[in-house]
Amino acid sequence: DAGVTQSPTHLIKTRGQQVTLRCSPKSGHDTVSWYQQALGQGPQFIFQYYEEEERQRGNFPDRFSGHQFPNYSSELNVNALLLGDSALYLCASTWTGTYNEQFFGPGTRLTVL
Amino acid sequence: AQSVTQLDSQVPVFEEAPVELRCNYSSSVSVYLFWYVQYPNQGLQLLLKYLSGSTLVKGINGFEAEFNKSQTSFHLRKPSVHISDTAEYFCAVSHFTGTASKLTFGTGTRLQVTL
Repeated sequence: DAGVTQSPTHLIKTRGQQVTLRCSPKSGHDTVSWYQQALGQGPQFIFQYYEEEERQRGNFPDRFSGHQFPNYSSELNVNALLLGDSALYLCASTWTGTYNEQFFGPGTRLTVL
Repeated sequence: AQSVTQLDSQVPVFEEAPVELRCNYSSSVSVYLFWYVQYPNQGLQLLLKYLSGSTLVKGINGFEAEFNKSQTSFHLRKPSVHISDTAEYFCAVSHFTGTASKLTFGTGTRLQVTL
Protein backbone atom coordinates (compact mmCIF):
# COMPACT_ATOMS: atom_id res chain seq x y z
CA ASP A 1 0.00 0.00 0.00
CA ALA A 2 1.60 3.26 -1.17
CA GLY A 3 -0.27 5.42 1.29
CA VAL A 4 -1.20 8.99 0.37
CA THR A 5 0.97 10.38 -2.41
CA GLN A 6 1.35 13.97 -3.53
CA SER A 7 3.01 15.63 -6.50
CA PRO A 8 5.08 17.55 -7.08
CA THR A 9 7.32 17.54 -4.03
CA HIS A 10 8.47 21.11 -4.50
CA LEU A 11 7.27 23.94 -6.69
CA ILE A 12 8.42 27.50 -7.31
CA LYS A 13 6.05 30.03 -8.86
CA THR A 14 5.89 33.79 -9.23
CA ARG A 15 3.17 36.12 -8.04
CA GLY A 16 0.07 36.11 -10.21
CA GLN A 17 0.65 32.64 -11.60
CA GLN A 18 -1.61 29.65 -11.15
CA VAL A 19 -0.65 26.28 -9.66
CA THR A 20 -2.13 22.78 -9.52
CA LEU A 21 -1.20 20.27 -6.84
CA ARG A 22 -2.16 16.62 -6.99
CA CYS A 23 -3.04 13.96 -4.45
CA SER A 24 -3.73 10.23 -4.63
CA PRO A 25 -5.49 8.87 -1.54
CA LYS A 26 -4.64 5.74 0.33
CA SER A 27 -6.16 2.61 -1.17
CA GLY A 28 -9.78 2.19 -0.07
CA HIS A 29 -10.22 5.83 0.92
CA ASP A 30 -12.92 7.98 -0.69
CA THR A 31 -12.55 11.34 1.07
CA VAL A 32 -9.75 13.82 0.51
CA SER A 33 -8.96 16.93 2.54
CA TRP A 34 -6.43 19.66 1.82
CA TYR A 35 -4.54 21.68 4.42
CA GLN A 36 -2.16 24.62 4.19
CA GLN A 37 0.74 24.75 6.63
CA ALA A 38 2.61 28.04 6.71
CA LEU A 39 6.11 28.05 8.15
CA GLY A 40 6.04 27.66 11.92
CA GLN A 41 2.27 27.15 12.02
CA GLY A 42 -0.16 24.29 12.35
CA PRO A 43 -2.04 23.05 9.28
CA GLN A 44 -5.14 25.02 8.30
CA PHE A 45 -8.11 23.26 6.68
CA ILE A 46 -8.80 24.39 3.12
CA PHE A 47 -11.56 22.03 1.95
CA GLN A 48 -12.72 18.44 1.76
CA TYR A 49 -13.99 16.42 -1.19
CA TYR A 50 -16.27 13.40 -1.23
CA GLU A 51 -18.07 11.88 -4.21
CA GLU A 52 -16.47 14.50 -6.45
CA GLU A 53 -18.07 17.37 -4.55
CA GLU A 54 -16.73 19.90 -2.07
CA ARG A 55 -18.29 18.91 1.23
CA GLN A 56 -16.68 21.33 3.67
CA ARG A 57 -14.63 24.48 3.23
CA GLY A 58 -12.38 26.43 5.54
CA ASN A 59 -11.74 30.16 5.59
CA PHE A 60 -9.91 30.42 2.27
CA PRO A 61 -10.70 32.74 -0.67
CA ASP A 62 -12.20 31.55 -3.93
CA ARG A 63 -8.72 31.62 -5.48
CA PHE A 64 -8.40 28.19 -3.87
CA SER A 65 -10.42 25.57 -5.71
CA GLY A 66 -10.34 21.84 -6.02
CA HIS A 67 -11.55 18.81 -7.81
CA GLN A 68 -12.02 15.13 -7.07
CA PHE A 69 -11.94 12.53 -9.81
CA PRO A 70 -13.93 9.26 -10.04
CA ASN A 71 -10.86 7.33 -8.82
CA TYR A 72 -10.93 9.55 -5.67
CA SER A 73 -7.71 11.39 -6.50
CA SER A 74 -7.83 15.13 -6.07
CA GLU A 75 -6.34 18.39 -7.26
CA LEU A 76 -5.88 21.69 -5.49
CA ASN A 77 -5.75 24.77 -7.71
CA VAL A 78 -4.61 28.19 -6.59
CA ASN A 79 -5.06 31.18 -8.91
CA ALA A 80 -3.42 34.61 -8.80
CA LEU A 81 -0.71 33.46 -6.42
CA LEU A 82 0.35 35.76 -3.61
CA LEU A 83 3.57 35.71 -1.61
CA GLY A 84 1.51 34.62 1.37
CA ASP A 85 0.49 31.43 -0.43
CA SER A 86 3.99 30.06 0.15
CA ALA A 87 3.47 27.04 2.39
CA LEU A 88 3.47 23.27 2.68
CA TYR A 89 0.24 21.90 1.23
CA LEU A 90 -0.87 18.66 2.80
CA CYS A 91 -3.39 16.20 1.50
CA ALA A 92 -5.16 13.79 3.84
CA SER A 93 -7.45 10.90 3.02
CA THR A 94 -9.95 8.78 4.91
CA TRP A 95 -13.12 6.86 4.25
CA THR A 96 -16.51 8.25 5.13
CA GLY A 97 -19.12 6.77 7.41
CA THR A 98 -18.01 6.24 10.97
CA TYR A 99 -15.17 8.52 11.97
CA ASN A 100 -11.83 7.29 10.80
CA GLU A 101 -8.26 8.47 11.03
CA GLN A 102 -7.05 10.87 8.40
CA PHE A 103 -3.83 9.76 6.73
CA PHE A 104 -1.52 12.51 5.53
CA GLY A 105 0.74 12.65 2.51
CA PRO A 106 4.25 14.10 2.59
CA GLY A 107 3.09 17.44 1.23
CA THR A 108 3.99 19.80 -1.59
CA ARG A 109 6.24 22.72 -0.71
CA LEU A 110 5.09 25.78 -2.71
CA THR A 111 7.31 28.84 -2.88
CA VAL A 112 5.91 32.01 -4.43
CA LEU A 113 8.48 34.61 -5.46
CA ALA B 1 -16.31 26.71 16.44
CA GLN B 2 -13.38 24.74 17.75
CA SER B 3 -9.92 25.87 18.74
CA VAL B 4 -6.74 24.28 20.10
CA THR B 5 -4.09 25.89 22.25
CA GLN B 6 -0.66 24.37 22.65
CA LEU B 7 0.82 26.22 25.55
CA ASP B 8 4.49 25.61 24.80
CA SER B 9 6.06 26.46 21.47
CA GLN B 10 9.30 24.70 22.38
CA VAL B 11 10.16 22.04 24.97
CA PRO B 12 13.83 21.16 25.50
CA VAL B 13 14.49 17.91 27.35
CA PHE B 14 17.39 15.58 28.00
CA GLU B 15 17.37 12.06 26.63
CA GLU B 16 15.72 9.49 28.94
CA ALA B 17 13.87 12.22 30.84
CA PRO B 18 10.08 12.32 30.95
CA VAL B 19 8.17 14.91 28.96
CA GLU B 20 4.67 16.39 28.84
CA LEU B 21 3.37 18.46 25.94
CA ARG B 22 0.30 20.44 26.85
CA CYS B 23 -2.86 20.87 24.81
CA ASN B 24 -6.13 22.60 25.67
CA TYR B 25 -9.15 22.77 23.41
CA SER B 26 -12.36 24.72 23.12
CA SER B 27 -15.55 23.38 21.58
CA SER B 28 -19.29 23.69 22.05
CA VAL B 29 -19.86 20.04 21.12
CA SER B 30 -18.29 16.70 21.89
CA VAL B 31 -14.98 16.29 20.14
CA TYR B 32 -12.42 13.78 19.03
CA LEU B 33 -8.81 14.54 19.94
CA PHE B 34 -5.56 13.69 18.22
CA TRP B 35 -1.83 14.09 18.49
CA TYR B 36 0.25 14.11 15.32
CA VAL B 37 4.04 14.20 14.91
CA GLN B 38 5.88 15.87 12.06
CA TYR B 39 9.53 15.14 11.35
CA PRO B 40 11.51 17.65 9.25
CA ASN B 41 10.38 17.86 5.64
CA GLN B 42 7.70 15.24 6.15
CA GLY B 43 3.93 15.02 6.47
CA LEU B 44 1.99 14.29 9.64
CA GLN B 45 1.91 10.91 11.38
CA LEU B 46 -0.79 10.02 13.88
CA LEU B 47 0.58 9.28 17.37
CA LEU B 48 -2.72 8.59 19.12
CA LYS B 49 -6.38 9.49 19.18
CA TYR B 50 -9.26 9.76 21.63
CA LEU B 51 -12.68 8.97 20.21
CA SER B 52 -14.51 7.61 23.27
CA GLY B 53 -14.09 5.22 26.20
CA SER B 54 -11.03 5.18 28.44
CA THR B 55 -9.61 8.62 29.00
CA LEU B 56 -6.04 7.29 28.98
CA VAL B 57 -4.98 6.64 25.44
CA LYS B 58 -1.81 4.83 24.43
CA GLY B 59 -0.16 5.47 21.09
CA ILE B 60 2.87 4.59 19.08
CA ASN B 61 6.48 5.06 20.13
CA GLY B 62 5.63 4.88 23.84
CA PHE B 63 3.48 8.02 23.92
CA GLU B 64 0.24 8.33 25.85
CA ALA B 65 -2.29 11.07 26.48
CA GLU B 66 -5.07 11.67 28.95
CA PHE B 67 -8.39 13.26 28.05
CA ASN B 68 -9.69 15.53 30.79
CA LYS B 69 -13.15 16.80 29.91
CA SER B 70 -13.52 19.11 32.92
CA GLN B 71 -10.25 20.85 32.14
CA THR B 72 -10.69 20.54 28.36
CA SER B 73 -7.17 19.19 28.09
CA PHE B 74 -5.43 16.40 26.21
CA HIS B 75 -1.81 16.45 27.33
CA LEU B 76 0.75 14.17 25.68
CA ARG B 77 3.30 12.33 27.81
CA LYS B 78 6.24 10.00 27.44
CA PRO B 79 8.09 8.58 30.46
CA SER B 80 11.50 8.45 28.76
CA VAL B 81 12.33 10.28 25.54
CA HIS B 82 14.86 9.38 22.89
CA ILE B 83 16.88 11.55 20.53
CA SER B 84 14.69 10.27 17.70
CA ASP B 85 11.63 11.88 19.33
CA THR B 86 12.92 15.30 18.29
CA ALA B 87 10.15 16.65 16.07
CA GLU B 88 7.16 18.99 15.91
CA TYR B 89 4.04 17.78 17.70
CA PHE B 90 0.54 18.95 16.86
CA CYS B 91 -2.62 18.55 18.87
CA ALA B 92 -5.83 18.52 16.83
CA VAL B 93 -9.57 18.41 17.45
CA SER B 94 -12.48 17.32 15.32
CA HIS B 95 -16.14 16.61 15.78
CA PHE B 96 -18.07 13.95 13.99
CA THR B 97 -20.95 15.21 11.88
CA GLY B 98 -22.00 11.87 10.41
CA THR B 99 -19.30 12.02 7.79
CA ALA B 100 -15.57 12.56 7.90
CA SER B 101 -14.82 15.93 9.43
CA LYS B 102 -12.07 18.51 9.33
CA LEU B 103 -9.22 18.73 11.81
CA THR B 104 -8.42 21.93 13.67
CA PHE B 105 -4.77 22.05 14.71
CA GLY B 106 -2.83 23.89 17.35
CA THR B 107 0.29 25.85 16.46
CA GLY B 108 2.59 23.01 17.43
CA THR B 109 5.23 22.25 20.04
CA ARG B 110 8.81 21.71 19.05
CA LEU B 111 10.30 18.88 21.16
CA GLN B 112 14.08 19.09 21.23
CA VAL B 113 15.80 16.09 22.84
CA THR B 114 19.50 16.42 23.66
CA LEU B 115 22.12 14.17 25.25
